[in-house]
Amino acid sequence: IAGITQAPTSQILAAGRRMTLRCTQDMRHNAMYWYRQDLGLGLRLIHYSNTAGTTGKGEVPDGYSVSRANTDDFPLTLASAVPSQTSVYFCASSDSGHTDTQYFGPGTRLTVL
Amino acid sequence: GQNIDQPTEMTATEGAIVQINCTYQTSGFNGLFWYQQHAGEAPTFLSYNVLDGLEEKGRFSSFLSRSKGYSYLLLKELQMKDSASYLCAVRDGDYKLSFGAGTTVTVRA
Repeated sequence: IAGITQAPTSQILAAGRRMTLRCTQDMRHNAMYWYRQDLGLGLRLIHYSNTAGTTGKGEVPDGYSVSRANTDDFPLTLASAVPSQTSVYFCASSDSGHTDTQYFGPGTRLTVL
Repeated sequence: GQNIDQPTEMTATEGAIVQINCTYQTSGFNGLFWYQQHAGEAPTFLSYNVLDGLEEKGRFSSFLSRSKGYSYLLLKELQMKDSASYLCAVRDGDYKLSFGAGTTVTVRA
């Protein structure tokens, strides 16, 4: 069992380009989350999904969009990347919706120039 | 907004004990988590407290006082592999997790 996988591992992107970060889990967890982690700021929630077909906004959603077409996949899209979106992005999932422990993927390191 | 405070850095000697404090002010409370994160890796779950008191799990223990908005993570018999960042996270009234900035623990021989 792989748990949660993210792709790509790292990416350098020109400002203004569109980018989709992929996240897949094989644990059949209902809820999935996207966080960004910046030095000195800790993990901040971007978007979440409590179950397939639903999504919600977190603390820092501007400039990002998500979709949840099925249980396993939760892609994060940057429509037009800006340098302030340079960060490490972590996907997470939890079992019984929002009440259960969250488990994290390995992360994607994104640099926007 | 949520406010979660923990020290930035701590250093301790192999075999010693270190206590990482976390204070929080959140809109509602539905549990407190501690995660460990090694450099360049994902956070991994360590412990969960929702009621006051001490939860012990091997060399790691976590304490919670809801009335004081306070928790600590106790690491005993420190090993070199315990060098990592330790993240305090609080689940608020909307069941969202808010994280502190993390405490980097360095274990010296």
